[in-house]
Amino acid sequence: QVQLQESGPGLVKPSQTLSLTCTVSGDSISSGSYYWSWIRQSAGKGLEWIGRVYTSGNTNYNPSLMSRVTISIDTSKNEFSLKLNSVTAADTAIYYCARDRLWFGVDYWGHGTLVTVSS
Amino acid sequence: QSVLTQPPSASGTPGQRVTISCSGSTSNIGSKTVNWYQQLPGAAPKLLISTNNQRPSGVPDRFSGSKSGTSASLAINGLQSEDEATYYCAAWDDSLSGPVFGGGTKVTVL
Repeated sequence: QVQLQESGPGLVKPSQTLSLTCTVSGDSISSGSYYWSWIRQSAGKGLEWIGRVYTSGNTNYNPSLMSRVTISIDTSKNEFSLKLNSVTAADTAIYYCARDRLWFGVDYWGHGTLVTVSS
Repeated sequence: QSVLTQPPSASGTPGQRVTISCSGSTSNIGSKTVNWYQQLPGAAPKLLISTNNQRPSGVPDRFSGSKSGTSASLAINGLQSEDEATYYCAAWDDSLSGPVFGGGTKVTVL
């Protein structure tokens, strides 16, 4: 059974960088069969795709966040990570990592982690 | 504000049939497949219907999905108390080059 688990600080100060890691078990992210995405959910904007990374390290980002986002992959640890810089209160959300089948959508989600941006 | 449009709420009594609509455009539902997700309170979304009408292993057959043109529907036949949740539709969007989601429909079992 594929499982994903997010980890990282639950509180980030405004203007600082949000950093999260997703650890994958039950699948090898180096297999090349899937993409690996970050999605967030907030009361104000609902579910919003942030971006994805492939085994090769190639990335695609939501244009609305592209200037602030970096997603990377570490195949040796079976992990991928999210960095979102210059955060504001509008970035407060539950952040999910997910396995992405591209045109066929996300099939597995992590449990989610609440990140609050506040001083 | 969501790209895909869903009614905010739906309800029914146990045993009833409930349907949820999802409206999009030619850049998403009109050209790509639709997924439906179930989100129980305090939990992550779970894939309920894949590629318009396929149920992943373990999903009860009272859940079914369909798509026509730029719209899709989720039906729950024989509503049960454990179906009380929020349901989201999603589809790849060519403009975004990523998935877009509906705003969610909260289903209440009366």
